[in-house]
Amino acid sequence: SQTIHQWPATLVQPVGSPLSLECTVEGTSNPNLYWYRQAAGRGLQLLFYSVGIGQISSEVPQNLSASRPQDRQFILSSKKLLLSDSGFYLCAWTSGVSYNEQFFGPGTRLTVL
Amino acid sequence: AQKITQTQPGMFVQEKEAVTLDCTYDTSDPSYGLFWYKQPSSGEMIFLIYQGSYDQQNATEGRYSLNFQKARKSANLVISASQLGDSAMYFCAMRGGDSSYKLIFGSGTRLLVRP
Repeated sequence: SQTIHQWPATLVQPVGSPLSLECTVEGTSNPNLYWYRQAAGRGLQLLFYSVGIGQISSEVPQNLSASRPQDRQFILSSKKLLLSDSGFYLCAWTSGVSYNEQFFGPGTRLTVL
Repeated sequence: AQKITQTQPGMFVQEKEAVTLDCTYDTSDPSYGLFWYKQPSSGEMIFLIYQGSYDQQNATEGRYSLNFQKARKSANLVISASQLGDSAMYFCAMRGGDSSYKLIFGSGTRLLVRP
């Protein structure tokens, strides 16, 4: 069966520090991968998605970036965090051929102080 | 542009009763899909149910059913026989017809089940 991992689970970082969040998927190959952010009490906003290795599409201009160095690995990064980057970051995957389901990881709660 | 609207910020329901959570959508894609997710206080997003735009029948999954009214562009979630564990945030989402399969989410409805 498929499993999606995210780490760390929680993170407290000072303003201006770098960020690296990692997401890995097991039990599937060539998935579509997604990074969403959820502000407190809000819905999810799509940040990036990837349909293959090295292929990244950005949905919202910001100081975050994403990379997909391996088929089942998706990384969210920042060189300098802003206060507004605080939130709950969720990674998700969907099969490239089955479009009727999208599964989420457990999320990373980021607080920027 | 695609848009999902959930107009109920919060809902109450008595245990064992049914509840309907509203969702309306807007898209120009002829092919699309509609999803419902549950988010308990732990934060995880739990997939509940899916409805494709060409599906003739309303989707059902256990106590969850999706009341799909294409002409009205609505995709309401019906939870039958509510349980205390159903208390959570519920999000409606839509994917378009392109191969990215990315989802657009509504703002959510917080459901509280009363004993």
